[in-house]
Amino acid sequence: DGGITQSPKYLFRKEGQNVTLSCEQNLNHDAMYWYRQDPGQGLRLIYYSQIVNDFQKGDIAEGYSVSREKKESFPLTVTSAQKNPTAFYLCASTRDIRGSGANVLTFGAGSRLTVL
Amino acid sequence: GQQLNQSPQSMFIQEGEDVSMNCTSSSIFNTWLWYKQDPGEGPVLLIALYKAGELTSNGRLTAQFGITRKDSFLNISASIPSDVGIYFCAGRNNDMRFGAGTRLTVKP
Repeated sequence: DGGITQSPKYLFRKEGQNVTLSCEQNLNHDAMYWYRQDPGQGLRLIYYSQIVNDFQKGDIAEGYSVSREKKESFPLTVTSAQKNPTAFYLCASTRDIRGSGANVLTFGAGSRLTVL
Repeated sequence: GQQLNQSPQSMFIQEGEDVSMNCTSSSIFNTWLWYKQDPGEGPVLLIALYKAGELTSNGRLTAQFGITRKDSFLNISASIPSDVGIYFCAGRNNDMRFGAGTRLTVKP
């Protein structure tokens, strides 16, 4: 079955450490996204990528970095520069960035990062 | 950026009751969407609305795209325990904006 796989599901990090969250999709989707979810808030866009080797900052990109070397993969690195990294991180993809296919965001199951 | 105001923030209802939640915005959106998120999982699309005034049903769920294009509501009829979760509205223009969610609890 096609879908999005995020790993790890749970991650603990000490302050000052970088950590990378994995996101892999086998849907042949062009666009991929990273969102951050905090209690009582809507999903906030961190980064998105419309095509391989290209990505754009979202609303809260500071302290994060991404790469898109393959169509299937869009890893997110939470750097030590991110001051409040404890959150639930969601990866998503769409068939294309515009048109009706862009509305159907398919989400992964999420990764919960806790900074100790 | 554009903000979506979703209400209520949480609801505690008895099984069998109907549920209504809504989203409003100061900005116009071309598309309104409703997602459901189960605990510890990613959101799943429930209904997508593409035209002002559009009323769409998906089983016990009904959603409408407001005529002003600045609001949308979602109704759930005859709630059941598996309706428990967080419901998010989303508005789309060039990007997608999400409401803060409505947390629904259904008591058997």
